[in-house]
Amino acid sequence: EPEVTQTPSHQVTQMGQEVILRCVPISNHLYFYWYRQILGQKVEFLVSFYNNEISEKSEIFDDQFSVERPDGSNFTLKIRSTKLEDSAMYFCASSGSLAGDKETQYFGPGTRLLVL
Amino acid sequence: RKEVEQDPGPFNVPEGATVAFNCTYSNSASQSFFWYRQDCRKEPKLLMSVYSSGNEDGRFTAQLNRASQYISLLIRDSKLSDSATYLCVVNPISGNTPLVFGKGTRLSVIA
Repeated sequence: EPEVTQTPSHQVTQMGQEVILRCVPISNHLYFYWYRQILGQKVEFLVSFYNNEISEKSEIFDDQFSVERPDGSNFTLKIRSTKLEDSAMYFCASSGSLAGDKETQYFGPGTRLLVL
Repeated sequence: RKEVEQDPGPFNVPEGATVAFNCTYSNSASQSFFWYRQDCRKEPKLLMSVYSSGNEDGRFTAQLNRASQYISLLIRDSKLSDSATYLCVVNPISGNTPLVFGKGTRLSVIA
């Protein structure tokens, strides 16, 4: 069964450093998302991406964040200068299969980011 | 973005019990509704979509009441493997748009 993959599974970084989180969405999906979940909190939407551009972003997704689809398979989230409060689990999701289920969002296993 | 509210639990039930979770959403224009399951430190996984007429998938039954803006999930004959956090999820706009998550209700099924 196709699945969303994410790397790395864990990342520890110093405050102020840049991190790049990587995702490979399901291959025939057209819509890509990043969500985050701070420990003990709910899953929160960050940004959605379609047709090589951001389609929607939340108030969390400020100028420190950026997304990119550098090639036909990867979808990345960059945090330019990490803050302590960026520590969270970051989930990538994809949806929009050309055939079959068109709306269900499938989530990757997440990257646990710890900012020290 | 409007909120989705759930009883956080935990619900501790014996194997074989029937347990029900409730959820309310504040955006009356919301279009799509889902229950996701999340195991500890794992990703959310779709359990079932929720349709206006109600739907059933094996031991799981989901109901939607649009007038009351209320969604429910019933689990019959609980198994140990049902232990997880159950997330009520709403899509305010139809289609491939951002989901709004509740904080989840934790279920522990005890032998």
